[in-house]
Amino acid sequence: EAEVAQSPRYKITEKSQAVAFWCDPISGHATLYWYRQILGQGPELLVQFQDESVVDDSQLPKDRFSAERLKGVDSTLKIQPAELGDSAMYLCASSRREAGELFFGEGSRLTVL
Amino acid sequence: AQTVTQSQPEMSVQEAETVTLSCTYDTSENNYYLFWYKQPPSRQMILVIRQEAYKQQNATENRFSVNFQKAAKSFSLKISDSQLGDTAMYFCAAQTTKNYQLIWGAGTKLIIKP
Repeated sequence: EAEVAQSPRYKITEKSQAVAFWCDPISGHATLYWYRQILGQGPELLVQFQDESVVDDSQLPKDRFSAERLKGVDSTLKIQPAELGDSAMYLCASSRREAGELFFGEGSRLTVL
Repeated sequence: AQTVTQSQPEMSVQEAETVTLSCTYDTSENNYYLFWYKQPPSRQMILVIRQEAYKQQNATENRFSVNFQKAAKSFSLKISDSQLGDTAMYFCAAQTTKNYQLIWGAGTKLIIKP
C-alpha cells in the first residue's frame, strides 16, 4: 500500500542551527501539505502546494521557514535558524486533489535545545 | 472565521462500550466536508470517516458512525463496540469548497480500558 514517506523521523538540534525535512507524497497526489503539530493540539497548516505551486503559506513564518516542491513531487521544509519554540512534530500529507482524503506520513519530530 | 470545536479533551471507556465524541463547527459556506481523523500513539493520522454537507444521510464505516446535525452545526462520532486499538487522539476537521483548507479541532484523547 502506497504511503507518504518522511525523513528524518527524529531530529535533535541546537537553536540557531538549520534543519531540513523531506516528504515524498503518494504517487499521483497533486496536493501536498506541511503541518506543524504541538503535542496535544491539532495540526496547524504551514504550507499547501498544488503541484509545484504554493496555494497557501499564510501561516508559514517566512523569516525562518521555507518550503519547496520544485518538480511537483517531493518536498522539503527548511528552518533556519531553529528556535526553541520550533520543537514540534512536522507532518506531511498528500491528497489526489484539493477536496480529497488526506494521507499522512509518520511525521518528523523536532527537538530544539 | 471558520472554527472547529472539540469540547472533550479526554475520554475513557471500557472495552466493548459505545462512546460518542463531540464536534461543533462554524462556517458560513454552504458546501463543505467534515472529517474525523484518528492519530494512534506514535503512528500516523488516518481518516476514520467523511461526510459531505449536502448529504442528509449520516455516514457509517463499520463500527464508526456520525450524527450530522447541519442546522446545529454539530458532527459527533460514535464508536460502537470499542476496542483497545481505538485508543488514539481523534480530530474533527472541516473543509469548505471555497479554498479547500482544512480547519482542525484541538482533538479528543480517547482511552479504551481493558
